[in-house]
Amino acid sequence: AQSVTQPDIHITVSEGASLELRCNYSYGATPYLFWYVQSPGQGLQLLLKYFSGDTLVQGIKGFEAEFKRSQSSFNLRKPSVHWSDAAEYFCAVGPVTGNQFYFGTGTSLTVIP
Amino acid sequence: DGGITQSPKYLFRKEGQNVTLSCEQNLNHDAMYWYRQDPGQGLRLIYYSQIVNDFQKGDIAEGYSVSREKKESFPLTVTSAQKNPTAFYLCASTTDRARPDFNTEAFFGQGTRLTVV
Repeated sequence: AQSVTQPDIHITVSEGASLELRCNYSYGATPYLFWYVQSPGQGLQLLLKYFSGDTLVQGIKGFEAEFKRSQSSFNLRKPSVHWSDAAEYFCAVGPVTGNQFYFGTGTSLTVIP
Repeated sequence: DGGITQSPKYLFRKEGQNVTLSCEQNLNHDAMYWYRQDPGQGLRLIYYSQIVNDFQKGDIAEGYSVSREKKESFPLTVTSAQKNPTAFYLCASTTDRARPDFNTEAFFGQGTRLTVV
């Protein structure tokens, strides 16, 4: 069965520090992988996606993610966090059978000035 | 601009009342989805539809109903059978995998916050 795990429920970092959000997935084939960001009371915005090619993908707002097949991981990184990055981050896999997407439970990011 | 529009942004429901959440997209997407979001639980799939006049139950369909009479529209009704409907509801859409312009990701609306009063 397909699943996505985000082991960190909440992360706090200082502004200017580096960030890594973890994501592990379970899927039988080569997955389509996504990171979305959600500000409070808003919908989800796509940060980046991976489905083939270079395993290091660049996204918007200075984010990047690396696909590691051997570890079934797709971790999100940013070298220097800004206060505006405080939000909820979701990792997802899909579309799979029936065009379904599977989301992790999210990681809430707090940025300290 | 193309996108997904959810309305209303805030909705209040009395006990025993049915309410309908609207979701409209002008992206020419085939598949549409409804998710429920509760704190700490991520997104849970309620219903999804791959084509007009067809839809499938997701993980938490009980107490909800949907219709897909038009490609652009996928309204969700929260019925009185849903005992704990207070949540944030998100609608999403995507192209079908079989299409040559398949763009992989799901596009989301801005959400509707439903509160029982």
